[in-house]
Amino acid sequence: DVKVTQSSRYLVKRTGEKVFLECVQDMDHENMFWYRQDPGLGLRLIYFSYDVKMKEKGDIPEGYSVSREKKERFSLILESASTNQTSMYLCASSPYRGQGNTIYFGEGSWLTVV
Amino acid sequence: AQTVTQSQPEMSVQEAETVTLSCTYDTSESDYYLFWYKQPPSRQMILVIRQEAYKQQNATENRFSVNFQKAAKSFSLKISDSQLGDAAMYFCAYSSNTGNQFYFGTGTSLTVIP
Repeated sequence: DVKVTQSSRYLVKRTGEKVFLECVQDMDHENMFWYRQDPGLGLRLIYFSYDVKMKEKGDIPEGYSVSREKKERFSLILESASTNQTSMYLCASSPYRGQGNTIYFGEGSWLTVV
Repeated sequence: AQTVTQSQPEMSVQEAETVTLSCTYDTSESDYYLFWYKQPPSRQMILVIRQEAYKQQNATENRFSVNFQKAAKSFSLKISDSQLGDAAMYFCAYSSNTGNQFYFGTGTSLTVIP
């Protein structure tokens, strides 16, 4: 089974802190994604990466950055956390483009910024 | 960009009854894939069912089936013999055969009444 592991399920951070959310997948998938999930808004794409050191902005990249130094690991960075970044963050991975490849999700990281 | 619309924020069904969740999408492509994902209260998002647009036959997975109307750009999920464990948030998703991205609806929260 594909496993996508997010390092932290629940985090509480202070405004202005730098926050790292880590994600690891074990299926050698090319694509990795970070989504933000808020009630009534569904899943919104923050960033995705289709290869090591490659990244593309999603719909809401402002205030976030990402890092993909190894194929299996994709990190989301909040440079200076703000209260409006309190949310559930979902990491996901999928095989390379085409063939309707299924996307697989981690369990999610609940971030509260106080 | 492709859009996916779920017009029912909340639905409820009596245990053992049948319920249908609606999804419409907008695309100019002819070759794509559609998915239904389930997110139980534990928050792990899992694949329920997948439909390839070039296949006319509706996908079925045990008690879950879809009604895929390509011309109408409609993709509804039918859950038969509803069980308490079906209570979850359900997301409809679209993926192009040529791209890396997935597009999600805003979700439908399904309650199963004992």
